[in-house]
Amino acid sequence: IQLTQSPSLLSASVGDRVTLSCKGSQNINNYLAWYQQKLGEAPKLLIYNTNSLQTGIPSRFSGSGSGTDYTLTISSLQPEDVATYFCYQYNNGLTFGSGTKLEIK
Amino acid sequence: EVQLVESGGGLVQPGRSLKLSCAASGFTFSDYNMAWVRQAPTKGLEWVASISYGGSNTHYGDSVKGRFTISRDNAKSTLYLQMDSLRSEDTATYYCARPYSGLDYWGQGVMVTVSS
Repeated sequence: IQLTQSPSLLSASVGDRVTLSCKGSQNINNYLAWYQQKLGEAPKLLIYNTNSLQTGIPSRFSGSGSGTDYTLTISSLQPEDVATYFCYQYNNGLTFGSGTKLEIK
Repeated sequence: EVQLVESGGGLVQPGRSLKLSCAASGFTFSDYNMAWVRQAPTKGLEWVASISYGGSNTHYGDSVKGRFTISRDNAKSTLYLQMDSLRSEDTATYYCARPYSGLDYWGQGVMVTVSS
């Protein structure tokens, strides 16, 4: 399964609601996770199984979707959210999206 | 606290071998499948290999199949990646990770540079 993330680069203001997209080439059956990776750090799990918030992750992060289309939403963008975000499917094989780089405007 | 600590990286010439280790702590290692994931400089993430909790089942990405071998020692709570016939395109940071609810825990990563 191939994953296509959009946009590749997103610039938004502090406090904005931000939506990131991840589209699969086949049905992912909700076995989709989202990761945040800051410069020089390992990826951090934010969301698993489409919409389950990992322990310790702020509630401004949420996930949704079904079938082939999935979304990560940040309800109110904070300066510390500057990072690259990857989606990851574990329904059929294991593949990552190419990432969305999120910047503060 | 779950911890995964990789070691064994470095500079190696094309065609040579290198073995990575990942020491696990804070959970019952023998109860979990494990995986290696890599990231080339300024690039995205690529799954490399996975191994079942008992070690009997292994799976590899197409780019490393036949060259890399994943293994584990449950008595030592350690995961390994034997990398043979290394190529320049294997240059990356290698992470070990625990495949539970996606990949829930990751190590800090170890750099492997393949260059003459």
